Amino acid sequence: EAGVTQFPSHSVIEKGQTVTLRCDPISGHDNLYWYRRVMGKEIKFLLHFVKESKQDESGMPNNRFLAERTGGTYSTLKVQPAELEDSGVYFCASSQDGYYGYTFGSGTRLTVV
Amino acid sequence: AQSVSQHNHHVILSEAASLELGCNYSYGGTVNLFWYVQYPGQHLQLLLKYFSGDPLVKGIKGFEAEFIKSKFSFNLRKPSVQWSDTAEYFCAVTNTGRRALTFGSGTRLQVQP
Repeated sequence: EAGVTQFPSHSVIEKGQTVTLRCDPISGHDNLYWYRRVMGKEIKFLLHFVKESKQDESGMPNNRFLAERTGGTYSTLKVQPAELEDSGVYFCASSQDGYYGYTFGSGTRLTVV
Repeated sequence: AQSVSQHNHHVILSEAASLELGCNYSYGGTVNLFWYVQYPGQHLQLLLKYFSGDPLVKGIKGFEAEFIKSKFSFNLRKPSVQWSDTAEYFCAVTNTGRRALTFGSGTRLQVQP
């Protein structure tokens, strides 16, 4: 079974630019989560999709972040415009039952300069 | 809101030493508890999980954890660590009302040969 795939693995952009991160969950997993780890801090929840619907977006830091999940398959997380404090590692995880098991991707390391 | 505390941020041990990493959570209801590990350059992997039943949970690679409800704790243990256990370890929790994982800040374990 293929795992959760994220790309790019690294992205370096200038402040004010736009970046789009992509996550391909495990096929058949309805639940998709985005998390972020800012350097030195804990991994924080951003949002949760069930199929194409946003189940919980309470962790989204502000309206510069836009997440979509087209057709309940892959998901994108767009940051526009990027700020320095957006730097960190963005993780995606998927789950079949949404509760008991989560598989993580390798993450995208975003650096805003 | 639930939260997770990991008291040890950086632990250095010699091979064959015993390991115990502390994890405490705050939530008054039913919780599910997890320990994840991230080896250098790899994605987060599940070590073990507790949902119900026997509070002593055995995971992969010789790790175990004990859920003590009265202490709101879920400490991770291993009787004899190996150099290959060098990694960052995360405690996480979900509850019946929230599927997304809440993580602790992580413990970086360094095992010296």
